[in-house]
Amino acid sequence: DVKVTQSSRYLVKRTGEKVFLECVQDMDHENMFWYRQDPGLGLRLIYFSYDVKMKEKGDIPEGYSVSREKKERFSLILESASTNQTSMYLCASSLLGGPNTGELFFGEGSRLTVL
Amino acid sequence: RKEVEQDPGPFNVPEGATVAFNCTYSNSASQSFFWYRQDCRKEPKLLMSVYSSGNEDGRFTAQLNRASQYISLLIRDSKLSDSATYLCVVLDRLVMDSNYQLIWGAGTKLIIKP
Repeated sequence: DVKVTQSSRYLVKRTGEKVFLECVQDMDHENMFWYRQDPGLGLRLIYFSYDVKMKEKGDIPEGYSVSREKKERFSLILESASTNQTSMYLCASSLLGGPNTGELFFGEGSRLTVL
Repeated sequence: RKEVEQDPGPFNVPEGATVAFNCTYSNSASQSFFWYRQDCRKEPKLLMSVYSSGNEDGRFTAQLNRASQYISLLIRDSKLSDSATYLCVVLDRLVMDSNYQLIWGAGTKLIIKP
């Protein structure tokens, strides 16, 4: 069964802290994505990756960075957390042609609160 | 103007009724369309793709109207378990680029009442 695992379901951090969100998929998917989801807005793409050590900016990359050292793992980093980064963060993966088929597999999400 | 727009709802519908909701998109060159379902505090999951000719999966029917730039989802004989938020997703090919992007609507909340 397809599995995308996000390391933390709930986090509370203080302004200025560095935050790591980890995502691991066990499906050997090439593509991995980080989105954030806020009430009243659609999912917004932060960063994505088509291959190991490769990353591309999405629509809202400011304040974030990513790392993909291994195919199965895609990490999202908030270098200095701010209150406007309080959100639900969703990691997803797909096969190489996957986004063309619209089928993304999501993790359960990490709800981050920045105080 | 949002690229993909949905009525946020909630749609309150009695069990057994038929319910339909639409999603409009702004890019006439959009290539593919999908409906995802997201349960409360859960991740989105693909419900169905939307084909040009329309498609049906059990009680669910998806339609595409390219002329008016909207897709629709119809649910017949609604069940309590259909209560969820339904997300409309559009696949766009980026101009002058071989990449693509998925554009997400904010979702329509459906509540099925006994």
